[in-house]
Amino acid sequence: NAGVTQTPKFQVLKTGQSMTLQCAQDMNHNSMYWYRQDPGMGLRLIYYSASEGTTDKGEVPNGYNVSRLNKREFSLRLESAAPSQTSVYFCASRAGEVRGYTFGSGTRLTVV
Amino acid sequence: AQRVTQPEKLLSVFKGAPVELKCNYSYSGSPELFWYVQYSRQRLQLLLRHISRESIKGFTADLNKGETSFHLKKPFAQEEDSAMYYCALSGAGSYQLTFGKGTKLSVIP
Repeated sequence: NAGVTQTPKFQVLKTGQSMTLQCAQDMNHNSMYWYRQDPGMGLRLIYYSASEGTTDKGEVPNGYNVSRLNKREFSLRLESAAPSQTSVYFCASRAGEVRGYTFGSGTRLTVV
Repeated sequence: AQRVTQPEKLLSVFKGAPVELKCNYSYSGSPELFWYVQYSRQRLQLLLRHISRESIKGFTADLNKGETSFHLKKPFAQEEDSAMYYCALSGAGSYQLTFGKGTKLSVIP
């Protein structure tokens, strides 16, 4: 049981390049999330998907797009990377309201 | 709006000393509160949920609705407790989990 799997683990992009961060969960969870973690800022929600077929903006959605491909997979896309998007990105999933969230191991992204 | 405040960025204690990591929240309804721990460069792990009233790795946390607090406590700190600790809140019926900015706990041998 892998839980939440994120790929890649590390990535360096040049300003203006695009890329997609992949996330998959094998726990049959309904809701999935993308957070970014920055020093002194904690974790901030970028986008979430309450269920397959739905996505909603979180606190910091600008510069990102998401796709809930199916119940297992939730991808995050940077169309034109900027240095301000240098961060550690975490994907998470949740089974229901009364259970905690399960996090992936993170993607460390650097935009130069 | 829901908000979580962790007033201390860094907390240093000696091994064997008591630990209290503070968390205050702002939410108009009934919140669901969590503590997450992140060891160096690892993923976040759920430490405690207030509804389960459990003790994990010697840590406990009590929800105080009057003071809108959910402080994390441990009577005797261990070196392996050194990590980043995040308090988080989810509103009833909400899909969003709001995090505080985190407190880095450093246990001095």
